[in-house]
Amino acid sequence: AQKITQTQPGMFVQEKEAVTLDCTYDTSDPSYGLFWYKQPSSGEMIFLIYQGSYDQQNATEGRYSLNFQKARKSANLVISASQLGDSAMYFCAMRGSDQAGTALIFGKGTTLSVSS
Amino acid sequence: DSGVTQTPKHLITATGQRVTLRCSPRSGDLSVYWYQQSLDQGLQFLIQYYNGEERAKGNILERFSAQQFPDLHSELNLSSLELGDSALYFCASSVEWRGYTFGSGTRLTVV
Repeated sequence: AQKITQTQPGMFVQEKEAVTLDCTYDTSDPSYGLFWYKQPSSGEMIFLIYQGSYDQQNATEGRYSLNFQKARKSANLVISASQLGDSAMYFCAMRGSDQAGTALIFGKGTTLSVSS
Repeated sequence: DSGVTQTPKHLITATGQRVTLRCSPRSGDLSVYWYQQSLDQGLQFLIQYYNGEERAKGNILERFSAQQFPDLHSELNLSSLELGDSALYFCASSVEWRGYTFGSGTRLTVV
């Protein structure tokens, strides 16, 4: 069965510092996709970044980058130069196997708090 | 606006009642997914529809059902509601390789 694990319930960082949010995954499928979403206190789910299992390079989107280590089955999100507006819950997710259709399977999330 | 529309945004109802949540996917997206987010269970996948057909089931209770109509909008029906069904219900839509877009959710409170 596929599984996403986020071991950090909460993380604290100061403005302008970089922060890494951990994510490990488990799957037997050779082809899969990994996603990160941000959920601010208002509740909406905001897509941040995507990494395909066959992508040769780590994905980057502005201040977000994904540190993809396939052998370790990890897909950590790195946020550079944190801003107060980055305070939110962050979810790592993986596109499911055929049994789950193409649904995203989510980890339990990490709450990030950015202070000034 | 993400392009995925969910109504209503908030719903308060009593135990034992039945409610219907509605989702209009982003234009061109054929797949619709329903998720339940609660404090203790996190984000749980409930069910997926693709072009009107059920594609996959997750942790969906028998009291819950869904359907996708010819115009691709979807409805999630929750019946015999219990206090524990109080949660934020998300709909998401996708088309291959374009990613997944979530609606703003329906917050259901069962009293």
